[in-house]
Amino acid sequence: GAGVSQSPSNKVTEKGKDVELRCDPISGHTALYWYRQSLGQGLEFLIYFQGNSAPDKSGLPSDRFSAERTGGSVSTLTIQRTQQEDSAVYLCASSLGSGFGEKLFFGSGTQLSVL
Amino acid sequence: AQSVTQLGSHVSVSEGALVLLRCNYSSSVPPYLFWYVQYPNQGLQLLLKYTSAATLVKGINGFEAEFKKSETSFHLTKPSAHMSDAAEYFCAVRVSGNTPLVFGKGTRLSVIA
Repeated sequence: GAGVSQSPSNKVTEKGKDVELRCDPISGHTALYWYRQSLGQGLEFLIYFQGNSAPDKSGLPSDRFSAERTGGSVSTLTIQRTQQEDSAVYLCASSLGSGFGEKLFFGSGTQLSVL
Repeated sequence: AQSVTQLGSHVSVSEGALVLLRCNYSSSVPPYLFWYVQYPNQGLQLLLKYTSAATLVKGINGFEAEFKKSETSFHLTKPSAHMSDAAEYFCAVRVSGNTPLVFGKGTRLSVIA
């Protein structure tokens, strides 16, 4: 596709439910990132996939959060047993490579609301 | 670990006035530094980046930033603000290709007519 695509654009769920957020990166991009954006907190790094290397999961806030990337393309971020503090915009980004100065291309995000 | 601090969560300037958004970084190794911008209802996009070449970096829409190692700063400036510059601006740092891009908390710029 022309850009990074995220779905759904909005997700409302009840506390305790599991949710899956999807990211389709730009074709050919080898690096993929998940960030969380909440008011006053800026962009919080969650997880980073770089080619075939083991992902950097150092930003995941708890073991309720997990992500996978299948076939080096599509990625799914899963939040189990959602809590109200999980409410935020979840942003996905991809880059052509994993070089130092690579430009990240961001999707429009998934607005998650946990009631 | 690397980090960036953006001073001021909200900056308001008059149209035509100087824009100055502050960013200080912390890194034990020479960093690459970035400014990203998020216009209302749009995704983030790269404004400019410093990658150890020229210390004064020019970006899109008339913005520029200067890397000052002695001050560990990478402030973003624009001589004359336009209404269309109203957005949220994020400073970010990276120290290697194996580490993720780390963002600051952002500064929301308002431009008053």
